[in-house]
Amino acid sequence: GDSVTQMEGPVTLSEEAFLTINCTYTATGYPSLFWYVQYPGEGLQLLLKATKADDKGSNKGFEATYRKETTSFHLEKGSVQVSDSAVYFCTLSSGSARQLTFGSGTQLTVLP
Amino acid sequence: KAGVTQTPRYLIKTRGQQVTLSCSPISGHRSVSWYQQTPGQGLQFLFEYFSETQRNKGNFPGRFSGRQFSNSRSEMNVSTLELGDSALYLCASSPTDRPNEKLFFGSGTQLSVL
Repeated sequence: GDSVTQMEGPVTLSEEAFLTINCTYTATGYPSLFWYVQYPGEGLQLLLKATKADDKGSNKGFEATYRKETTSFHLEKGSVQVSDSAVYFCTLSSGSARQLTFGSGTQLTVLP
Repeated sequence: KAGVTQTPRYLIKTRGQQVTLSCSPISGHRSVSWYQQTPGQGLQFLFEYFSETQRNKGNFPGRFSGRQFSNSRSEMNVSTLELGDSALYLCASSPTDRPNEKLFFGSGTQLSVL
């Protein structure tokens, strides 16, 4: 079955540091890939997505590139802010199915 | 526009009881999905409804059921509660049933089974 493996947390960074959260996946066919974010006390929100190989999703300074050859979708941001503190979930959906398969989540804390 | 609304926010039940959780999607959204979030298993798909029809079901026992009404509001029911059913139950809505569509999540219902 489909699965997503993402970097174990928690991750603690200083403001303006570079962020990478690693994510790899296993899926049949050609999945679509997403990063969802869960801010404290709020519901999950879509951060970015990529639906085919070599696509780059980007939003709010975050980027991730769909790499079919390495089955990866790593999340990056050049300069994190305190407001980026949240839990980040790498996610996929396969084929026409709309159910999402989530990674375990990575807790990010950014210190001023 | 109001977001996805889930009620109640917190719920405490005892083993063997049953529970019903409610989800009101964003106005105009016709698809509603349910997910269970636990520290051990993470986020797992329960089921999806579109236009009152269950489209897909995750790998959960038959004690977990749901339905969707003509106004797109959805309920999920868990019968004969077990301690392991303690979790945050999340509802998500979207306008259509197209693949790769953005889902809008509610804040969830925290269920504790004692």
